[in-house]
Formats: sequence, structure tokens, C-alpha cells
Amino acid sequence: DARVTQTPRHKVTEMGQEVTMRCQPILGHNTVFWYRQTMMQGLELLAYFRNRAPLDDSGMPKDRFSAEMPDATLATLKIQPSEPRDSAVYFCASALVRGDVFQPQHFGDGTRLSIL
Amino acid sequence: GIQVEQSPPDLILQEGANSTLRCNFSDSVNNLQWFHQNPWGQLINLFYIPSGTKQNGRLSATTVATERYSLLYISSSQTTDSGVYFCAVEGTGGSYIPTFGRGTSLIVHP
Repeated sequence: DARVTQTPRHKVTEMGQEVTMRCQPILGHNTVFWYRQTMMQGLELLAYFRNRAPLDDSGMPKDRFSAEMPDATLATLKIQPSEPRDSAVYFCASALVRGDVFQPQHFGDGTRLSIL
Repeated sequence: GIQVEQSPPDLILQEGANSTLRCNFSDSVNNLQWFHQNPWGQLINLFYIPSGTKQNGRLSATTVATERYSLLYISSSQTTDSGVYFCAVEGTGGSYIPTFGRGTSLIVHP
């Protein structure tokens, strides 16, 4: 089965360090989502790409977070500088959207991030 | 934006019992998905069901779009059904951005 691949699976680092999370969407999917999951807030949408173009990143703190898709097989989420409140599980998901038809999202296994 | 409410928030069952999870949404939707997050944190797509009824083994789902709710049925529950069940809906505004509910946490005891 095709899967969304996220790396790293776990990351522990000190406050102030740069963190880069990577996502390989399912081949052929044209839409990529980044989510953050915490106990307090649940699943929050951070950013959303269609055909590699950012469509919505209103959920992302712009001063320290950035999301890009350098090519169709790679999406990145960076935090610089990282803070303890950024500790969470970060999920990437991909889907195929054509016209007004939205296919189901498929999630990666997540990156569990701990900022000390 | 569209509001999604799931009930109950928590559910504890004995193995073999049946259960019904509910997802209410505040506006018309183009799409609705049910996900299971297992104890290892993986999010698995269960159903893509903007309307009608679907079945997959011991699980089935029904969405009544006109009344703005969806139900997930789990029959003969097993310990492997434990985890959190999320409902995610996409409104009709054309944004294709799913809004997630807070989930129902299910524990199935042997």
C-alpha cells in the first residue's frame, strides 16, 4: 500500500535549535497538509499546499514556522528558533483533489517533537 | 467556520459489546471522513462518507447530510479497537480543508 512517509519519527532538541521535519506524500497526490496534535488543542491545521503552492498557512505562527514544497515528492516544516511550547506530534497528510472531488486524506505516522 | 462535535468524549467497553459514536456538524458538508488513531498514534482512514452508509467488517458508518450528523458503529468490539476516533468534515465553501472534531476516546477491556 502507498504510504505517506515522515522523518524523523522522533526528535528531541534544546530550545532555540532549528527543527526540520520532512514528508514524502503519496505519489500522485497533489494536496499536502501539515497538522499539529496536542492534548490541549487536538489536531490543528498548520499549512496546506495544492500542486506545491501554499494555499493556507493561517494556522502557523509565521515568526518561527515555515513550510515549503521544494518538489512534488517533498514537503518540509521548519521551526526556527524552537520553543518548549512547540512540543507536539506533527502529522503530514496527503490527498488527491481534482476539480470539486476530494479524495480521502492519508496520514503519515507523525514526528514526535520534544523541545527541552 | 464549520463546527464539529463528537460524542461521547470517552467510552469504555467490554470486549464483544457494540457501540455507536456520533459526529454532529454545524453546516452543509462536501466531505466527511472517520479516522481511528491507534494507541501508537497512527491515524488510519476508516471511511470516506459524505452521505449514505458504508460497511467494512465490524465497522459501519452512516451520514445523514440533511440532518448534519454521522454515526460510526462498532460491533463485537475487540481490544484492538481501542484508541481515539475522529470525525473530519469539509464544508461547502470549496476550501478542501477538513475540520476535525475533538474525538471519542475508546477503551475496550478484555
